[in-house]
Amino acid sequence: GAVVSQHPSWVICKSGTSVKIECRSLDFQATTMFWYRQFPKQSLMLMATSNEGSKATYEQGVEKDKFLINHASLTLSTLTVTSAHPEDSSFYICSAKGGAGGRDEQFFGPGTRLTVL
Amino acid sequence: DAKTTQPTSMDCAEGRAANLPCNHSTISGNEYVYWYRQIHSQGPQYIIHGLKNNETNEMASLIITEDRKSSTLILPHATLRDTAVYYCIVRVINDYKLSFGAGTTVTVRA
Repeated sequence: GAVVSQHPSWVICKSGTSVKIECRSLDFQATTMFWYRQFPKQSLMLMATSNEGSKATYEQGVEKDKFLINHASLTLSTLTVTSAHPEDSSFYICSAKGGAGGRDEQFFGPGTRLTVL
Repeated sequence: DAKTTQPTSMDCAEGRAANLPCNHSTISGNEYVYWYRQIHSQGPQYIIHGLKNNETNEMASLIITEDRKSSTLILPHATLRDTAVYYCIVRVINDYKLSFGAGTTVTVRA
């Protein structure tokens, strides 16, 4: 149980284009989802927290207009990187946490590797 | 504002127990200790968490000192597939954000 998927697993795009990454909780309802970014040889950095049906809360230094997050249902959150540039190339990882009465820990997706040319 | 301190790396022998230390000397009474691991190019995997008492599950055991200022993650019989970066994280109850430090790179050798 507690499986989180991400799609796509990797994507290559041209500079200036937008890329959408999906995060799904497959066997539980996720009231809260988190988006992280990980650069090579670095640790995970939390980008934003999203609760189903409400606006995401972004960490300091993360541009909310560049990284659009939508958490429209209890099983799906999307991250759209708008007008991507080479410096946005990174490993993007989502995690999901169940609601009240559910398990307390976050379960992570397998990650999406974004390369911007 | 690292709340935990872990060794940068450690090696262990396949089939032996691996003991991973973590210091969290400023931990508060309302903070859990969580352990995750990340195998290369994958998302982190939850291992175990605890508040005050020692915990055990099918993956590992977590030993928390009585003063809660440090803990040890024990992998009872390390295998090559346990090679990963292990993160010890302190998390406030009811605040579900996780702050990842550098972790410990564990290499299990045959």
